[in-house]
Amino acid sequence: AQKITQTQPGMFVQEKEAVTLDCTYDTSDPSYGLFWYKQPSSGEMIFLIYQGSYDQQNATEGRYSLNFQKARKSANLVISASQLGDSAMYFCAMRRPGANNLFFGTGTRLTVIP
Amino acid sequence: GAGVSQSPSNKVTEKGKDVELRCDPISGHTALYWYRQSLGQGLEFLIYFQGNSAPDKSGLPSDRFSAERTGGSVSTLTIQRTQQEDSAVYLCASSFRLAVGGGRAVTDTQYFGPGTRLTVL
Repeated sequence: AQKITQTQPGMFVQEKEAVTLDCTYDTSDPSYGLFWYKQPSSGEMIFLIYQGSYDQQNATEGRYSLNFQKARKSANLVISASQLGDSAMYFCAMRRPGANNLFFGTGTRLTVIP
Repeated sequence: GAGVSQSPSNKVTEKGKDVELRCDPISGHTALYWYRQSLGQGLEFLIYFQGNSAPDKSGLPSDRFSAERTGGSVSTLTIQRTQQEDSAVYLCASSFRLAVGGGRAVTDTQYFGPGTRLTVL
């Protein structure tokens, strides 16, 4: 069975600082995809970044990067130079081949402090 | 815009009534998903449509829930005889499924709509 764990229910970061949001996963599949989504108070889930299990390099997308440690089964999201608009819920999710849906963690609420 | 749209944005209903939630996916996307998000929780998969294939209904919590997708585009999620525990945000997503790496991995970024907040009194 697959499982996504986000152990930080809430995180605070000073504006302009970097922050790491933790995500660990459990799967026996050799092939899978990992996603991070942002959910602001408006409710929409916004796709941020994707990492494939066979990707050799960590994914980056602007201020977002993914610290992918396959052996440890972790896929932490790093947000650099935090902005007030980064305050939101952040969800880690996994996609397995053969599964039609994403499996989501319970999320981390990030608050950026001015 | 060109994103996923959902209607209504909010729906308040009385226990026992039926409700219909609508989703318009991104044009050209072949896959459509419904998820449910209860207060303070992650997303729970409900149902998946892909092209003309039979839908994956494995996430539907009871037979009061059903969904259809007409013409491979718009989808309607119907909840019959609503219960208070059905109160949640219902999110729709769509994607264009693409296999990469010789099929070793599937990258299938799902793009979500704004959701419908359902409140059952």
